[in-house]
Parts: sequence; C-alpha cells; structure tokens
Amino acid sequence: QQQVKQSPQSLIVQKGGISIINCAYENTAFDYFPWYQQFPGKGPALLIAIRPDVSEKKEGRFTISFNKSAKQFSLHIMDSQPGDSATYFCAASGGATNKLIFGTGTLLAVQP
Amino acid sequence: DVKVTQSSRYLVKRTGEKVFLECVQDMDHENMFWYRQDPGLGLRLIYFSYDVKMKEKGDIPEGYSVSREKKERFSLILESASTNQTSMYLCASSSQRETSVFYGEETQYFGPGTRLLVL
Repeated sequence: QQQVKQSPQSLIVQKGGISIINCAYENTAFDYFPWYQQFPGKGPALLIAIRPDVSEKKEGRFTISFNKSAKQFSLHIMDSQPGDSATYFCAASGGATNKLIFGTGTLLAVQP
Repeated sequence: DVKVTQSSRYLVKRTGEKVFLECVQDMDHENMFWYRQDPGLGLRLIYFSYDVKMKEKGDIPEGYSVSREKKERFSLILESASTNQTSMYLCASSSQRETSVFYGEETQYFGPGTRLLVL
C-alpha cells in the first residue's frame, strides 16, 4: 500500500514533442505529490508538486495532472527540449509522516 | 541558497571495512534522510531522523546505522561493508511537516550523492 508505481522506465521523445510520465498509488492518506528531476552526477531536485485539492498544476512547460478517484497522477512536459533529458521521479507522502515514497524513475531522452 | 553537502563524491572500500558517509545541511531543517539509489529500483529510504539523536528505520535499514549528534549533521554508517552495498547514496533534508505553513516547505533537498564501490 506504500508503493508508488511509475511508468515508463525509459522514454525517448523528439525535440518539441510532449513527454508523459505516469504514476499510480494505493494509499489514500497521501496528500502531497511531488516530481523530482535528476541530472547525471547530481542529486534529485524538486520540479513541481501538487496537492489533491486541484486536478492540475502548471509551471511553465511542466504540468501535473491529478486524478484522485483513479489514484493516478502524471507529468507532462510540453515542447520537450534536449535540456530536459534527465531522470524523473514521482513521489507521494501523507499523514503525519515526512517520508516520501518514490517511484522507480523514468529516464527521459529528448532527441534534437 | 539551500545547501546539502556530502563528504565524498566517490568512495572505494574493501569488504568488511567500516564506512562513514557524512551529510551536512545549512537550512536548519529538522528532518534528514539517507537513501540509496539503484538502477530500476528508484530511491529507497534507509534511515531518517526528525530531531537530534532521534532516528527511525526506513525501508532497507539492514546493514546500516546512523548518527545525528547535531541538527545539521547526519551520518550513515556501514558497519561491515559488503559488495551488495555498492550503490549511490543520497542525503536529503526537509522542514518538519506539521510546522509547514506554506506550500512546498516539506520539500526534500538532496545532496549531490556519494557513489560507493565495495570491492
């Protein structure tokens, strides 16, 4: 029940295309859903996050879509650029804990 | 600027050695975390601490211990390193959830990682 399932494991997108990464969770106590971006040789860094009181959050080219009834959330990267090539992790947390449960990661390659 | 630093970027150790990984944060955060990152497995929580001298086991604590004597410093200890502990180790910190007034304060900030090779 603590798992966050992430797909796909890897993704290749052409420059200018849309990248979509999906995550699903089971624990209905989760109330915070961040996405982290990790470049090679660096630690993950927060990209964008959402709480379940909204169905969508947009920051520039990055959008989180959240479906509470389906217990799914996804990251959309519009107009994908080679500089977006990185590993993306979804995560979830909730209740009194400060722990994040991470997905297994998606390696995104944006081809020029 | 927010900063989490880790004592080493790369380490090579022998099987059976005692290994210390150090993490320091300058944000006065209550929470600190140690993860290991392996391909296809994502980030798995080893231990975390929500206060000085307090610690809780994460999902994979076996073979590890931790120490938090000061608020800014969190150490991960491999008591007797084994080859299956070869991995990338990431430290993170965050503010306490229940004191978070503004959205985003529970963000975890990560260090650059320590790549450990156990031979």
